Amino acid sequence: EAGVAQSPRYKIIEKRQSVAFWCNPISGHATLYWYQQILGQGPKLLIQFQNNGVVDDSQLPKDRFSAERLKGVDSTLKIQPAKLEDSAVYLCASSDGGKDTEAFFGQGTRLTVV
Amino acid sequence: AQSVTQLGSHVSVSEGALVLLRCNYSSSVPPYLFWYVQYPNQGLQLLLKYTTGATLVKGINGFEAEFKKSETSFHLTKPSAHMSDAAEYFCAVSPDGSSNTGKLIFGQGTTLQVKP
Repeated sequence: EAGVAQSPRYKIIEKRQSVAFWCNPISGHATLYWYQQILGQGPKLLIQFQNNGVVDDSQLPKDRFSAERLKGVDSTLKIQPAKLEDSAVYLCASSDGGKDTEAFFGQGTRLTVV
Repeated sequence: AQSVTQLGSHVSVSEGALVLLRCNYSSSVPPYLFWYVQYPNQGLQLLLKYTTGATLVKGINGFEAEFKKSETSFHLTKPSAHMSDAAEYFCAVSPDGSSNTGKLIFGQGTTLQVKP
């Protein structure tokens, strides 16, 4: 079974530029999560989708971050404009959404803002 | 609100020695607790989880953890460390009393170093 796919693996941009990350979850997984992991910290949930609807985006900085999952499959996370403090690894995870099920994480996209 | 504190950002052990990684939690609902491992440039992998029932939980790679409600702790142990155990370890709690492992509050992580 293929895992959660993320691209790109690495990205370097200048501050005030925009950037987008892509995630393709495990086939059939209804629930998709985006996490931000700043160096030296644990991952922090940014947004949770159930199919193509947002379940929780309470920690998403909506002035600059946006995410979509239009067809309920793959998802895109965008930052516009980027700030230095956005430098982090962005992790995508998916699960089938059932009770007591495991979420599987992708390898992440490492963003460096200079 | 739920939170997790991992005691010690770096732990160093010799190969073959006991591994003990400490985790304390705060939760306003019966907690669901998790340990994840992250190898360099990799995503997170679930080691084990506590939902209900037996308080001693066994996971993959010889790790286990014990839920102690009176101490609000969920420490991770392994009797004998291997070089391949060197990684970052995260303790996590479900924020809403759910056993769904996708929506979690993570601790800050503990880097485990294993010396030959």
